[in-house]
Amino acid sequence: QQQVKQSPQSLIVQKGGISIINCAYENTAFDYFPWYQQFPGKGPALLIAIRPDVSEKKEGRFTISFNKSAKQFSLHIMDSQPGDSATYFCAARRRAGAQKLVFGQGTRLTINP
Amino acid sequence: NAGVMQNPRHLVRRRGQEARLRCSPMKGHSHVYWYRQLPEEGLKFMVYLQKENIIDESGMPKERFSAEFPKEGPSILRIQQVVRGDSAAYFCASSPEGPQGGGYTFGSGTRLTVV
Repeated sequence: QQQVKQSPQSLIVQKGGISIINCAYENTAFDYFPWYQQFPGKGPALLIAIRPDVSEKKEGRFTISFNKSAKQFSLHIMDSQPGDSATYFCAARRRAGAQKLVFGQGTRLTINP
Repeated sequence: NAGVMQNPRHLVRRRGQEARLRCSPMKGHSHVYWYRQLPEEGLKFMVYLQKENIIDESGMPKERFSAEFPKEGPSILRIQQVVRGDSAAYFCASSPEGPQGGGYTFGSGTRLTVV
């Protein structure tokens, strides 16, 4: 119930294309869903986050789509650029109690020029 | 406003030695979290601390690992009698006080290599 499942494990997209990464969860007590971007040798950096009272959030080229009934959320990167090549992690946090984030397994994204 | 500071960035220890990893949270953040990342894997929760208190240590191995966040000074993750399997990147994150706080801010990590 504490797991967040992420797919695909790796993804290759051509420059200018749309990158889509999916996550699914079981625990309905989760109420905050962030995405993190990690470059090699660096710590994860918060990219964008959503709460379950909205179905979509957009920030620049990055969009989170959230489907509460299906318990799924996804990250869309529009007009993907080589600089977007990184590992992306979805995560979820419970509504109450300890605030720890539970992370997905990660997706290694490569944008080909 | 400095971010989350972790040191050292790289640490090499021989089997059986002790490893001490330090984390200074962002200014104004009183919640600290430690995560471990094995090569090509995701982030695994280890422990969540507030000043002088361990809130959740459900991800900590029962032996050899301990963590503290004293009233003064950085949070410390301590690994005693290190083994090869402890080799990983250890990340610290901090967040503001309160359940309404947003996502964590991570440090750059400490890469532990056990030889």
